[in-house]
Amino acid sequence: SQQGEEDPQALSIQEGENATMNCSYKTSINNLQWYRQNSGRGLVHLILIRSNEREKHSGRLRVTLDTSKKSSSLLITASRAADTASYFCATVLIQGAQKLVFGQGTRLTINP
Amino acid sequence: EAGVVQSPRYKIIEKKQPVAFWCNPISGHNTLYWYLQNLGQGPELLIRYENEEAVDDSQLPKDRFSAERLKGVDSTLKIQPAELGDSAVYLCASSLRGGPDTQYFGPGTRLTVL
Repeated sequence: SQQGEEDPQALSIQEGENATMNCSYKTSINNLQWYRQNSGRGLVHLILIRSNEREKHSGRLRVTLDTSKKSSSLLITASRAADTASYFCATVLIQGAQKLVFGQGTRLTINP
Repeated sequence: EAGVVQSPRYKIIEKKQPVAFWCNPISGHNTLYWYLQNLGQGPELLIRYENEEAVDDSQLPKDRFSAERLKGVDSTLKIQPAELGDSAVYLCASSLRGGPDTQYFGPGTRLTVL
């Protein structure tokens, strides 16, 4: 079963606009990771945020984590056509097997 | 540094036939994962290896799926016999260590069962 749920399932915006994707999860986590997947490719790690962190930046990416609400968001600023991809959040639970549990992903389309 | 290598990239087979996928992880990565990804879904873990030991295979359908990681490096995932519902992308990933470490994914093998 998948622990994370992304919202929205699909997002289409104009190039240059900001894109925000949300992820909710159910049980306590060690960390939360965001991955990108271009069509027909494997997943690429974007950013990892630990349970004791609230915000993290990497280039045009900004990730927030609210453990009280069990949610995270990924913000891509000044979007580019090359950002078109599916974005997945994945959680590593505190208890049980230390493995990544992926959500269903958000399909992001950047229109030129 | 070379990434995770998988082959073949695409495979089309008739149902009830066997099929095998191969994965070469990043050099020095002790942990290797096999995932199944259905269309429009996130990857789901099938099996995780720490060196040559399978430490989590709870999601592997053992009646038809098998995996091995000889010498703790390359790994092979096999399906015998394949069923229509096995059509999916099979992803291999590796990490330096297990647990919460970042995982590095290969491009995947897209399997179509006719």
